Amino acid sequence: DGGITQSPKYLFRKEGQNVTLSCEQNLNHDAMYWYRQDPGQGLRLIYYSQIVNDFQKGDIAEGYSVSREKKESFPLTVTSAQKNPTAFYLCASSSWDRGLNTEAFFGQGTRLTVV
Amino acid sequence: QKEVEQNSGPLSVPEGAIASLNCTYSDRVSQSFFWYRQYSGKSPELIMSIYSNGDKEDGRFTAQLNKASQYVSLLIRDSQPSDSATYLCAVRSNSGYALNFGKGTSLLVTP
Repeated sequence: DGGITQSPKYLFRKEGQNVTLSCEQNLNHDAMYWYRQDPGQGLRLIYYSQIVNDFQKGDIAEGYSVSREKKESFPLTVTSAQKNPTAFYLCASSSWDRGLNTEAFFGQGTRLTVV
Repeated sequence: QKEVEQNSGPLSVPEGAIASLNCTYSDRVSQSFFWYRQYSGKSPELIMSIYSNGDKEDGRFTAQLNKASQYVSLLIRDSQPSDSATYLCAVRSNSGYALNFGKGTSLLVTP
């Protein structure tokens, strides 16, 4: 089945730790995105990547890092510099065959909690 | 800052009624518009996309776009309790690649 797989579903982080969230897609999509969602809030863009080995900061990139070494994979690292990391993290991807008129599809999300 | 505004609700409608969800956006060069449904604790699911002024229908859902008024709406006909969820409006500008989301409208369909 084609889709976007995020892992783990739940993640607990201790203060001062870096953690990495996985996002893999087998849809052959060019673009991938990371969003953060806090309770009762919309989605805020952390990073996005249009092609391999290239990515851009979104609105709330501070304390996060990403890599795009393969088309299928776009892992997100939440560093210790992110002061309030507890949130629901969503990875999405989209093709670019119709330019801007392409839909984005989401993985099932990773819920990160600082303990 | 490109703003996408939605009434947070909750919007409560009886089963079988029409639910009307509204969204306004600030970036005049916005080109693509999307509605996502999100159940509690789950990830967003794409319902509709619309790119041109006017109406677009898909089953019980109709998306309406008015670029001059910077307004996009979603109508849900014959609302069902299973439609109870948060509906997110998303907008893509022709100067960017990522989607900008509103905070969502909570819809409650009562039996």
